[in-house]
Order: sequence, then structure tokens, then C-alpha cells
Amino acid sequence: GDSVTQMEGPVTLSEEAFLTINCTYTATGYPSLFWYVQYPGEGLQLLLKATKADDKGSNKGFEATYRKETTSFHLEKGSVQVSDSAVYFCALSGPNQGAQKLVFGQGTRLTINP
Amino acid sequence: DTEVTQTPKHLVMGMTNKKSLKCEQHMGHRAMYWYKQKAKKPPELMFVYSYEKLSINESVPSRFSPECPNSSLLNLHLHALQPEDSALYLCASSQVTDFSSYEQYFGPGTRLTVT
Repeated sequence: GDSVTQMEGPVTLSEEAFLTINCTYTATGYPSLFWYVQYPGEGLQLLLKATKADDKGSNKGFEATYRKETTSFHLEKGSVQVSDSAVYFCALSGPNQGAQKLVFGQGTRLTINP
Repeated sequence: DTEVTQTPKHLVMGMTNKKSLKCEQHMGHRAMYWYKQKAKKPPELMFVYSYEKLSINESVPSRFSPECPNSSLLNLHLHALQPEDSALYLCASSQVTDFSSYEQYFGPGTRLTVT
């Protein structure tokens, strides 16, 4: 079945550092790809999405590009802030899962130190 | 408005209690979801309602009983729960489209503790 693999955390960075969180997926067909963020004590918020190959999703300084050739959707941010500390989930939905099922990665906990 | 609301925020219940979790959205979405999330884990899908009909039940024990009274409301009725059911319960909603891109909007969750 379809699956999502994220880099293991936790990840700890200093403020203004460059961030990359790796995400790769296994799916047949053409899934849609998402990054969700979960701040402490809260639900999940959609951060960005991409629906076809070479699409770039972006929001709040975060970016991710749908790379079909490498089956990847890595999350990047050029300069992180303390407020970016959260858990980040990569997810996919696609024909194999039906239109209403999300497959999540295990999540990456990010801590930004001042 | 892209808000999904959930009540209560916290709930403590004994194993013999009956309680309900509530979820509401006003985005006109016709798909609504219940997820269970344990600490340091991703959400696990429990139920999906599409056009107010149950379309997916991920083999959830019968002590969890979902209900969708109308297109804006989703309830989860709880009865005779076990301590291992303690978790964050998340509600989400989305548009319904056939194999097209969509995103799910999540509520803040109900933190459930079963004693």
C-alpha cells in the first residue's frame, strides 16, 4: 500500500538556520502531497500542498516541491524562528487510498532555540 | 471561515460513563472525519462521513459510535471505554471530490482521559 517516510527527529536548530525536513513516499498513480504542522496542544494545520509533479507549495516562508522522479516532497525554510517549533507531518492522498484517506508520515518534531 | 470547532477541549471519564464529543464546521464541507492521535504519533483515521452517511469505518470498536446529524455537525458517542482509549480525538472536514486534490481542515481536538 501507499506509505510516507519522514526523516527521524527530533530536529533542533538555532534561530535563522536553514531547515530541511525530508519526506519520501511510495504510491502508485499520482497522489496529492501535503505538509501539516501541529503546534503544542493544538490540532493539525495545513501548511502547504502540491497536487502534481513539479508543483511547488509555499506558505509562511516554507516551501516544498513535488518531485516525482525521486518520489520526494522535502520541506524547506530559509530562516527558521522560535515560533516554528512544532511537529511536522508529511501526508499523501491518492487514488489508492480513495479521495478521503490521508496517509501520514510519523512526524518530525522541530525545536528552534533562540 | 476555515474553522472546525470541537467541544469539549478536555474530558475525563470513567470506564462506565457515557459521554459525547462534538464537532462543527461551517465551510460547506460534505465530508467529515474522526481521528485518534496518541502521543508522538500521527493521527489514525477512525470514521469518515460523506454526505452525512458513514462511508469508512476503520474497524473501530463498537464502544465508539459516530453520528452525523446534519452536514455541519459530527458527534462521537463514547461508552465503556478503556484506559488505552485515552488520546487526542481530532475532527476534520473537507470537500468531497472524486480523486481530485483536497485538503482536510482539522479542529483543535478533545483531550480524552479514561480513568
